[in-house]
Amino acid sequence: KNQVEQSPQSLIILEGKNCTLQCNYTVSPFSNLRWYKQDTGRGPVSLTIMTFSENTKSNGRYTATLDADTKQSSLHITASQLSDSASYICVVSRTGGGADGLTFGKGTHLIIQP
Amino acid sequence: GAGVSQSPSNKVTEKGKDVELRCDPISGHTALYWYRQSLGQGLEFLIYFQGNSAPDKSGLPSDRFSAERTGGSVSTLTIQRTQQEDSAVYLCASTPPGIRPHNEQFFGPGTRLTVL
Repeated sequence: KNQVEQSPQSLIILEGKNCTLQCNYTVSPFSNLRWYKQDTGRGPVSLTIMTFSENTKSNGRYTATLDADTKQSSLHITASQLSDSASYICVVSRTGGGADGLTFGKGTHLIIQP
Repeated sequence: GAGVSQSPSNKVTEKGKDVELRCDPISGHTALYWYRQSLGQGLEFLIYFQGNSAPDKSGLPSDRFSAERTGGSVSTLTIQRTQQEDSAVYLCASTPPGIRPHNEQFFGPGTRLTVL
């Protein structure tokens, strides 16, 4: 069964600290993995996309890693800011296209405290 | 340019009433998705439109739910005889055309539906 598990479910850290969010998946055959950021009351916005051959990709203070062998990805946030408070959703795509080729994680709810 | 827009942003209705939720995708985007997001849950796929192909309705939870996409652009999700368990945020997303599978989805802000 194609699944995406994210951990932790929620996380509270102080402003300026770093944190790492985890995403484990069993989706096969793998096409790509995206991390989305969803601010409260808004729709998700793509942060990064990673394909099979990529193991690290950065977007500002966000760095995503992918280990296709162990089927794990992480999203590292450096020097957190209050605006990083959001839900972070991991989405894994399976080759073949179509809506059922997308598997969503339940997200990690991140709160940055001043 | 303009992103995906949804209306209304909030909808409160009484149990048993019908509701219509609207999605305006980004111009030129060929694929359109509807999702439901309940509190503390991940996105639940509802329905998918791709160009002129027949829609993938496999995610619709019951026959009370239906959706249409007119002219390959605007889409309306209709929920008939609403139930309290229908309360959720309904998100719409569109993707541009292209050969790469699962292009980036551009999401609207959602419609928060509350059924009393």
